Parts: sequence; structure tokens; C-alpha cells
Amino acid sequence: NAGVTQTPKFRILKIGQSMTLQCTQDMNHNYMYWYRQDPGMGLKLIYYSVGAGITDKGEVPNGYNVSRSTTEDFPLRLELAAPSQTSVYFCASSYVRPGDNSPLHFGNGTRLTVT
Amino acid sequence: AQKVTQAQTEISVVEKEDVTLDCVYETRDTTYYLFWYKQPPSGELVFLIRRNSFDEQNEISGRYSWNFQKSTSSFNFTITASQVVDPAVYFCALSGALSSNFGNEKLTFGTGTRLTIIP
Repeated sequence: NAGVTQTPKFRILKIGQSMTLQCTQDMNHNYMYWYRQDPGMGLKLIYYSVGAGITDKGEVPNGYNVSRSTTEDFPLRLELAAPSQTSVYFCASSYVRPGDNSPLHFGNGTRLTVT
Repeated sequence: AQKVTQAQTEISVVEKEDVTLDCVYETRDTTYYLFWYKQPPSGELVFLIRRNSFDEQNEISGRYSWNFQKSTSSFNFTITASQVVDPAVYFCALSGALSSNFGNEKLTFGTGTRLTIIP
């Protein structure tokens, strides 16, 4: 059972480039999330999805886009990379909502540097 | 709005000593859930515990114990007899419950406490 898988693990982008961070889970979880973690900071929610075809903004959605065409996949798109998007990105999933007492399962993270 | 405060940015303790990590939260929900996650140097996030707002009993799991006090909005985490496997960043997190108006689809994280063990 792979859990939550993120690719790539590391990436360096030039300003203005675009890329997609991939996230897939094999636990049949309905809820999926993208967080970013800046040095010395907690995790900030970028986008989340409560099921295939449904997405919503989190705290810091600007500069990002997501889609959820299947239950398993939840890619995060950066269209015009900016230095402020240098961060570690975590994808997570849960069977039900955290408020229903369901812990999040996290991927191993993607370290992105924009120069 | 929900908020989680972990005032201790970094803590260092000598191996085998006990250490307590503080967590203070703010929420307008009457029903909510609290979590602790561990992020070891390898970077992944590991779930440690969840606690609902109705259950103020302290919990012990091996060397770990949690002290939930609703009166002070705190959910502190104690590691007893710290070991070399304990260094990590520890995050406290909060989410609303099913009836919440503030979106229980999301966890609000604190900024984390980095724990270092001195051999």
C-alpha cells in the first residue's frame, strides 16, 4: 500500500516557468489537500478537494490551480512561478473530514525552489 | 477564525529528560478536534494523536502523554525520558467538527516546535 505519493521530490524553476506537482493516493480517500510549508512556519492550506470534480480554495490559493478528475489524483499547477512560491509542498488525504475525527495521511513532500 | 499557537520555536533537552511542548488554540466552535503531528528530519508528517473537545481525559501512549485543558485552551504534549529518535518538528493542529460553520474540511496548523536532544 503506497499511501500518498508525490512527484517530483525536488525541483528548481526559473521565474515565470510553469509546472505541475503530482499527487496520487491509493487509499480511496475522498478528501485531498495541498499544503505549503515555509521555513520556520506551519503548514498553510493552498487548495483542497472533498471528492472528484469538487475543489475549493484554502488560505493561500493565489498563484496556484488544482483539478480533481479522479478520486486518486490531485495535481497542483503553478502557472507563472515566482520566488515567493519557493517552499516545501505537501499533499495529504483523508477518508472523511478532519473534523469527523479522521487523521490526514501526508506524502513525503516536494521541495520547490524558484530562482 | 481558528488559530493555533506554539510559542516554543525550538527546545533542547538532555537525553532521558522529560520535555513538554505547548499548544494553545483559539476557536469559536463548541465542538472541535485537536491533533499532534511529528515531522522528523526525513521530512514526512506523521500523525500522533487526535482528541475531541468533549474528552478532557489525559492520554498516555508509551513515552508520550497529552494534557488537554479546555479551560485554558491548551493541548500540551509531553515526551518522557527523551531519546535520540525524538528529534523532530512537532506540530499541533485544530479542525472544526461536523456542525462547524468555519469549514471542518481543513486543519489549522501551528508553526511547530523543533525538538533537539543533547546526548
